[in-house]
Amino acid sequence: DTEVTQTPKHLVMGMTNKKSLKCEQHMGHRAMYWYKQKAKKPPELMFVYSYEKLSINESVPSRFSPECPNSSLLNLHLHALQPEDSALYLCASSQAGRTNGYTFGSGTRLTVV
Amino acid sequence: GENVGLHLPTLSVQEGDNSIINCAYSNSASDYFIWYKQESGKGPQFIIDIRSNMDKRQGQRVTVLLNKTVKHLSLQIAATQPGDSAVYFCAEFNDYKLSFGAGTTVTVRA
Repeated sequence: DTEVTQTPKHLVMGMTNKKSLKCEQHMGHRAMYWYKQKAKKPPELMFVYSYEKLSINESVPSRFSPECPNSSLLNLHLHALQPEDSALYLCASSQAGRTNGYTFGSGTRLTVV
Repeated sequence: GENVGLHLPTLSVQEGDNSIINCAYSNSASDYFIWYKQESGKGPQFIIDIRSNMDKRQGQRVTVLLNKTVKHLSLQIAATQPGDSAVYFCAEFNDYKLSFGAGTTVTVRA
């Protein structure tokens, strides 16, 4: 299995809702990432997990809460989002450490109404 | 010429011609430079990478050139095909982070 699987593919949520994005990989990668991508823009790094521990938070607002329950799963919990948070949320994984071999999922298209 | 290395947000290419996509990077300390292809509805897909101590690397139909003097990266695609139509991003890896540059939308004309 050489894929990163993200669910759901599409999500529409209200500003008072709580929802979660899920990401799964079975490549034995010990680093996992969340990126946010606005339309016609490059992906922007949000969080980095290494060996199930949060190692980088790129000053992301607290309404985004990541969680790494085990080495194969990565969640992003969403609460009280704003319409400007609407974007494509990409998950990626790689071997931990100084490496460039990232595998990206197809993303969750999030719309906040 | 004056436009060598200029980053263009869009590129239209005739099928069968060669494509050149340019990118300027910001961090001289980056360890790797990578090109990604992103098709509509998909995540970025790895194309080719190059270490900071190299200046050229070739893959299948693709070549990446790195000019550290002017912090410039380019991707050459030989014999461009319709399936090459996508957005192309350069990225740099430094300090455990992968950061993306502005993309170039490549459209292949039949």
